Amino acid sequence: KNEVEQSPQNLTAQEGEFITINCSYSVGISALHWLQQHPGGGIVSLFMLSSGKKKHGRLIATINIQEKHSSLHITASHPRDSAVYICASHMNRDDKIIFGKGTRLHILP
Amino acid sequence: DAGVIQSPRHEVTEMGQEVTLRCKPISGHDYLFWYRQTMMRGLELLIYFNNNVPIDDSGMPEDRFSAKMPNASFSTLKIQPSEPRDSAVYFCASSLNTGELFFGEGSRLTVL
Repeated sequence: KNEVEQSPQNLTAQEGEFITINCSYSVGISALHWLQQHPGGGIVSLFMLSSGKKKHGRLIATINIQEKHSSLHITASHPRDSAVYICASHMNRDDKIIFGKGTRLHILP
Repeated sequence: DAGVIQSPRHEVTEMGQEVTLRCKPISGHDYLFWYRQTMMRGLELLIYFNNNVPIDDSGMPEDRFSAKMPNASFSTLKIQPSEPRDSAVYFCASSLNTGELFFGEGSRLTVL
């Protein structure tokens, strides 16, 4: 059974700080998603990656397939980055997606 | 494209009533997913379709829940009879192949 674990569960930081959110999964996957959910509920896909690293603006996502681990980094964090960040793994053997519980990020001005 | 469209955005109903949630995926997408989100359990996959065919419904909590996808542009999730523990936000998402997920804005269901 695939389990997806995220850490930390909650993170409060000052504006400008470098943020790292971690995600570990237990079985082989075909891809990993990072999602963002703002208060008010809409969910937006940030990245989908199966190897290496992707960058979009101040956001960077990395994945290490051997270690079954992914990280989401935010550089020069801003209060508008405050949201819940959810990691989700796309399993190899079927098309199921398993979600982590999310990391609640709060950036203070 | 307008994105994934869900309706209603909010529904308040009484226990025992039938609830129908609707989803229009992005045109051309071949996968459609129904998820439920609660504070206690986070996001959970209920069922997903590929080319309108249900592939895995193992996440559907019980027989009171059913989902259909009569064509490529429409899906429904029905709860009959509804119970207070069904209160949650229900999200629909679509994707092309097993690529990036596009979520609807969700349907917030409250069962009294």
